[in-house]
Amino acid sequence: DIQMTQSPSAMSASVGDRVTITCRASQDISDYLAWFQQKPGKVPKRLIYAASSLQSGVPSRFSGSGSGTEFTLTISSLQPEDFATYYCLHHNSYPWTFGQGTKVEIK
Amino acid sequence: QVQLVQSGAEVKKPGASVKVSCKASGYTFSSYSIAWVRQAPGQGLEWMGWIIPFNTNTYYARKLQGRVTMTTDTSTSTAYMELRSLRSDDTAVYYCARVGLGDSSAAFDIWGQGTMVTVSS
Repeated sequence: DIQMTQSPSAMSASVGDRVTITCRASQDISDYLAWFQQKPGKVPKRLIYAASSLQSGVPSRFSGSGSGTEFTLTISSLQPEDFATYYCLHHNSYPWTFGQGTKVEIK
Repeated sequence: QVQLVQSGAEVKKPGASVKVSCKASGYTFSSYSIAWVRQAPGQGLEWMGWIIPFNTNTYYARKLQGRVTMTTDTSTSTAYMELRSLRSDDTAVYYCARVGLGDSSAAFDIWGQGTMVTVSS
């Protein structure tokens, strides 16, 4: 099974900060990776698909990069509405797995 | 608009079964697969498996094999997830999500609103 290691598990940041979250796959997953944002009590929302493609309607401050085994979600300038938990997901081979999540909190 | 609408919250006793429905609208149901994801209280997301409506092929997470069955009814554009022999650690919000067939652009792009399943004696 492919393991997804997401880091950090939590972080504190200020509005305007540049934030980077990483997911590492235990094997090559090409670009079969998506990123999701989830706020408390809400449904996960897809931000990025195919590792670097921005979901329609998602602000351009969100970007994704990487392929193979290392992937990054970057928020270029953190906004108040971005405080949430972020998850990566690989869907390259079964079983698909989510990263453990990164909780972004207000500093 | 494209949406997935799930059935309502359930409370079950340990050992019982639960069947959650997920009704699709706004797109051709058989052209996409449906994945199921769950989230225990305060925990992360867990992929449970998926089903391809047009051929009913399924793939289940290993830890759930033998207890979970995913089905579809193409006549009503509805997917179902049944979980048997419920335990307290099955208490979670259960989500369905649309997944493209060989198309990453539709991978988990649409989610149901979630169904809370509580297992308690």
